[in-house]
Amino acid sequence: DAGVIQSPRHEVTEMGQEVTLRCKPISGHDYLFWYRQTMMRGLELLIYFNNNVPIDDSGMPEDRFSAKMPNASFSTLKIQPSEPRDSAVYFCASTQRQYTDTQYFGPGTRLTVL
Amino acid sequence: AQSVTQLGSHVSVSEGALVLLRCNYSSSVPPYLFWYVQYPNQGLQLLLKYTSAATLVKGINGFEAEFKKSETSFHLTKPSAHMSDAAEYFCAIRGTGRRALTFGSGTRLQVQP
Repeated sequence: DAGVIQSPRHEVTEMGQEVTLRCKPISGHDYLFWYRQTMMRGLELLIYFNNNVPIDDSGMPEDRFSAKMPNASFSTLKIQPSEPRDSAVYFCASTQRQYTDTQYFGPGTRLTVL
Repeated sequence: AQSVTQLGSHVSVSEGALVLLRCNYSSSVPPYLFWYVQYPNQGLQLLLKYTSAATLVKGINGFEAEFKKSETSFHLTKPSAHMSDAAEYFCAIRGTGRRALTFGSGTRLQVQP
């Protein structure tokens, strides 16, 4: 298996622009998580889905952030408009409830907002 | 709510020395506890996990951790450090009924030759 795939790996944008981060979970996994990692706040859960349905979005910072999972093999995290304080590494992870408690992480997207 | 606290943001050991990374947890329900490792510019990788079976858990790369309920601890150890162990290590907790993990602040392990 290719593992969790995230794109782009690096994104540099200007304040006010829309940013879309993409994630393809491992095939057969029914949970998908979005995390954000910063020096100041460490690793934070933003939102997670079960069977494409958002279960807990309490970690989403504000209305500028939105996440969707239109099907079992694709999810997006969108920031509109972006701000410099959104600069971070965003990780996607997936897991399969039935057989394992292990979350498999993607390589992350390093976002820089100028 | 569940939380974990990692003591020491940076730990430096000599190659061949014992590695001890500390993690204490707080949970009102029986916890599931995890250690993840993050190498530079990579995502997190599971080292080991405790899910209420044996209290001494063995993981990959020679690491192990012991769940001690009386001390609310889940410290990570390795008898002999290798240069390749240099990375950041995260302790994480999951309470029953919730799938998401709560991570500690991380401990950066440096291994000196």
